[in-house]
Amino acid sequence: GQQLNQSPQSMFIQEGEDVSMNCTSSSIFNTWLWYKQEPGEGPVLLIALYKAGELTSNGRLTAQFGITRKDSFLNISASIPSDVGIYFCAGAIQGAQKLVFGQGTRLTINP
Amino acid sequence: DADVTQTPRNRITKTGKRIMLECSQTKGHDRMYWYRQDPGLGLRLIYYSFDVKDINKGEISDGYSVSRQAQAKFSLSLESAIPNQTALYFCATSDYSNQPQHFGDGTRLSIL
Repeated sequence: GQQLNQSPQSMFIQEGEDVSMNCTSSSIFNTWLWYKQEPGEGPVLLIALYKAGELTSNGRLTAQFGITRKDSFLNISASIPSDVGIYFCAGAIQGAQKLVFGQGTRLTINP
Repeated sequence: DADVTQTPRNRITKTGKRIMLECSQTKGHDRMYWYRQDPGLGLRLIYYSFDVKDINKGEISDGYSVSRQAQAKFSLSLESAIPNQTALYFCATSDYSNQPQHFGDGTRLSIL
């Protein structure tokens, strides 16, 4: 079953607001990934993190690999309408052969 | 991601029918995966393959089978479809297990 807890499950915000979401686990991860999925499409990779403490940005998006290696967060600054979608975290558990995915955060933006 | 192509994109069929979903990739990756997505449940792994001779069950393999015909092709079959297999199905590929997976645009499957 799922080994990642992603929160919040959904967010309703005003355009221009900042967004923060996170994923936590009881397992230690070697890799954290953040994806975005838009309607009718598959998930697209936003940011990949490979080292504890790593902080990486992609435009208005910033993600961090937690120091304990058991969590990660994604921030979106100054949200715009095209940020709407479902955001997934995913990670590779130490010693495992496949990724595990969070349940997703559905982001809705009011203009 | 145009490098991972899934066919068909949409399919409506009846209970008991055999269905095959196909996936092909031009990324040259050895590893391929099939996921199922249901609302509120995220992505659940059905089967995965690390090379042509390797097939592994995921967390929800019952009722499904797969075939890795070549490095670039990985197909998913439902031998006798049932309504609770109605879902969005995604194929993905990767270089290594801890590397990002690249997804196709999905197949929306409805079983009546």
